[in-house]
Amino acid sequence: GESVGLHLPTLSVQEGDNSIINCAYSNSASDYFIWYKQESGKGPQFIIDIRSNMDKRQGQRVTVLLNKTVKHLSLQIAATQPGDSAVYFCAENRGDSSYKLIFGSGTRLLVRP
Amino acid sequence: EPEVTQTPSHQVTQMGQEVILRCVPISNHLYFYWYRQILGQKVEFLVSFYNNEISEKSEIFDDQFSVERPDGSNFTLKIRSTKLEDSAMYFCASSTQGLQSNQPQHFGDGTRLSIL
Repeated sequence: GESVGLHLPTLSVQEGDNSIINCAYSNSASDYFIWYKQESGKGPQFIIDIRSNMDKRQGQRVTVLLNKTVKHLSLQIAATQPGDSAVYFCAENRGDSSYKLIFGSGTRLLVRP
Repeated sequence: EPEVTQTPSHQVTQMGQEVILRCVPISNHLYFYWYRQILGQKVEFLVSFYNNEISEKSEIFDDQFSVERPDGSNFTLKIRSTKLEDSAMYFCASSTQGLQSNQPQHFGDGTRLSIL
């Protein structure tokens, strides 16, 4: 499940710190967003989602923030752990009864022990 | 936790040959999808399938591609005459409902397809 590009942006954080991963989406009509985590050799794993009528949603140790004005999505991970090291993708759905997700290019998160 | 399973994990095929990639979606899911990821590029949507028919497909999903749900558990992607540019990671996904119902797609671990 390598989702690696040679030019993936990388975020390096110390274990225990909070991480913030950002994503700019392209279409103002998009109304549903998902964050996925992809570890080496595996497929995208669902983390958290948010619909456009919300601006914040919290899960276990994760929070997603949505700013529709500037078409920006962020994923906050509290107390980052070594197991959080992976590539993170945002994905958007453009509504209009579309079934497809449009993926961003991903951010690699490295957690330093 | 229920998972989407894909086989094989790696498929090596000669150019021009047919290949079938197999997926077992999560058992109570009704919507099925294929995506692909060429090395170094984004994950791209190929096709969605619901109620035994294609509900949406991308420009990538041309006449060389087909999908089938041959029985109650399997979902397959066939490429009739493979090309070098078909080399990619192919992901199957499934969901209980469509995206409009706030139901995310859950992905398998993929099949790496290498065309020689």
